[in-house]
Amino acid sequence: DAEITQSPRHKITETGRQVTLACHQTWNHNNMFWYRQDLGHGLRLIHYSYGVHDTNKGEVSDGYSVSRSNTEDLPLTLESAASSQTSVYFCASSGQGIGYTFGSGTRLTVV
Amino acid sequence: QKEVEQDPGPLSVPEGAIVSLNCTYSNSAFQYFMWYRQYSRKGPELLMYTYSSGNKEDGRFTAQVDKSSKYISLFIRDSQPSDSATYLCAMSGGNNDMRFGAGTRLTVKP
Repeated sequence: DAEITQSPRHKITETGRQVTLACHQTWNHNNMFWYRQDLGHGLRLIHYSYGVHDTNKGEVSDGYSVSRSNTEDLPLTLESAASSQTSVYFCASSGQGIGYTFGSGTRLTVV
Repeated sequence: QKEVEQDPGPLSVPEGAIVSLNCTYSNSAFQYFMWYRQYSRKGPELLMYTYSSGNKEDGRFTAQVDKSSKYISLFIRDSQPSDSATYLCAMSGGNNDMRFGAGTRLTVKP
């Protein structure tokens, strides 16, 4: 069955370190998205991609970057982790249909 | 003002109750209206979607959209403990411009 997987599920890192969160989907979807979810804010869009080599900034993109070298993967990099980036991160993908398919999330703690 | 407003709750109801969840929005370009269900420590999953105004029913769940009032609702009939989750409304103009509500946490007590 097609799926979207995120790794790691949990990560603790120190302030200032570079961190990369992985997202891999086997739906063959062109569109992929990264969100962060915080209490009181819901899901906020960080970056998104409509295809290979395409990347776009979302509403909370500062301090994050993505690259899309193939259809299946959209890794999210935190250039220099900050405590304000402690959050739960969700990757999602979409194709021709309505709605997004979400991964199970990565819980990131920056200490 | 946020584009999508949703009361975060929490909402607690007894088993068998009818649950009403609501969202309001400000962008009249939205045409697709969705409800996602998110269990604890899981990703959101698409529950229902509606195009434009009207009602849609799926088992115990009914989604309503009133575009004139910019108001959407999700009703859950005969609520079950397994319905306990956070429910997020979402809407889009059809160009991968999805906007989410903050989510309402629902607990259904046996």
